[in-house]
Amino acid sequence: EPEVTQTPSHQVTQMGQEVILRCVPISNHLYFYWYRQILGQKVEFLVSFYNNEISEKSEIFDDQFSVERPDGSNFTLKIRSTKLEDSAMYFCAAGGAGSPEQYFGPGTRLTVT
Amino acid sequence: QKEVEQNSGPLSVPEGAIASLNCTYSDRGSQSFFWYRQYSGKSPELIMSIYSNGDKEDGRFTAQLNKASQYVSLLIRDSQPSDSATYLCARISGTYKYIFGTGTRLKVLA
Repeated sequence: EPEVTQTPSHQVTQMGQEVILRCVPISNHLYFYWYRQILGQKVEFLVSFYNNEISEKSEIFDDQFSVERPDGSNFTLKIRSTKLEDSAMYFCAAGGAGSPEQYFGPGTRLTVT
Repeated sequence: QKEVEQNSGPLSVPEGAIASLNCTYSDRGSQSFFWYRQYSGKSPELIMSIYSNGDKEDGRFTAQLNKASQYVSLLIRDSQPSDSATYLCARISGTYKYIFGTGTRLKVLA
């Protein structure tokens, strides 16, 4: 299975602080996604990214969130001013052209205190 | 309105038995479906994808899709304790966005 890596594995931050979560997809992947999973709840879609722009985003993905792929390698999710309710596992996923299958990274556990 | 529904379980089966996991969905236009396995504290791992009505087999796993009845199922033959996990059903929506169900927790008893 293609490997997607994420850093850090665990991030603890104070409410109101900015965090950046990083993902390194497989080189031949063209579609990139962020999902989150609050403890005990289902996996929820945040945003999809293709050809260096957002292709779709959910209601969760408000102005506090942003994504970019600045160097053609790392795919980042930034939360500008974290809230307690942002505490969750954040998963990056990637997929290739012509295939809807998505491969998930190991996730970053974000804890906002 | 829930879009992908799964029984949360737990579903308990003895080792060596067949585990049957079910999923229903509400959007008749859905074309692509996926089963993921998620161990506690870990990320979802793709097991099977299915796009056409009927069965698709891969090793001990068989996915079944019935678009008329709007359900997808996953059969695990010869269940092993290592199969104990939460199984997530997902469908495609929009630009390859996944809609997940809440997952069914499977316990395989040794």
